[in-house]
Amino acid sequence: DTAVSQTPKYLVTQMGNDKSIKCEQNLGHDTMYWYKQDSKKFLKIMFSYNNKELIINETVPNRFSPKSPDKAHLNLHINSLELGDSAVYFCASSPLRLDTQYFGPGTRLTVL
Amino acid sequence: SQQGEEDPQALSIQEGENATMNCSYKTSINNLQWYRQNSGRGLVHLILIRSNEREKHSGRLRVTLDTSKKSSSLLITASRAADTASYFCAQAAGNKLTFGGGTRVLVKP
Repeated sequence: DTAVSQTPKYLVTQMGNDKSIKCEQNLGHDTMYWYKQDSKKFLKIMFSYNNKELIINETVPNRFSPKSPDKAHLNLHINSLELGDSAVYFCASSPLRLDTQYFGPGTRLTVL
Repeated sequence: SQQGEEDPQALSIQEGENATMNCSYKTSINNLQWYRQNSGRGLVHLILIRSNEREKHSGRLRVTLDTSKKSSSLLITASRAADTASYFCAQAAGNKLTFGGGTRVLVKP
């Protein structure tokens, strides 16, 4: 069974559209994250949730809205997509905040 | 930038050789972690070394940490073609991990 799964794996869309990426972990972890990896491979944290509560929000445009319906799920909704949003988005989870993180396979978002 | 610096950015070696990559950071840390990313895949955790530890081993991997110099190194011994990947260090401080830019390692058979 996949520990951290994300859907979809690829997402191609037009500028201005709204899209969502879903993430689920079956590890029983309390903390989940969203990261953005740009074309130069830099990985930057966007959000972190601990037990459904937002604990990190890193100067991300408010077009990005995370939602955690329960501690096993953390979804990312993006409004009014822009060209600069093109990147690979990774979901991750960890048992404790500064502990080992387990990453999903990534969602490659391409905005045309 | 609060991101760590990794050195070198890219490394090409022959199978069987050792690969060493370095990571420098700027703030005090709780721990430092190393991850591997194969092309088109997610990151996979390799080793976590705590701030009070100086060296840690896992199989063919050896990690050192020098908190006085704010630096860490990852050594892969007897490299294999399957070790071809990008390697990232991540500093755990405050309430988050901050990743470096990675070292791309190519192991030629």
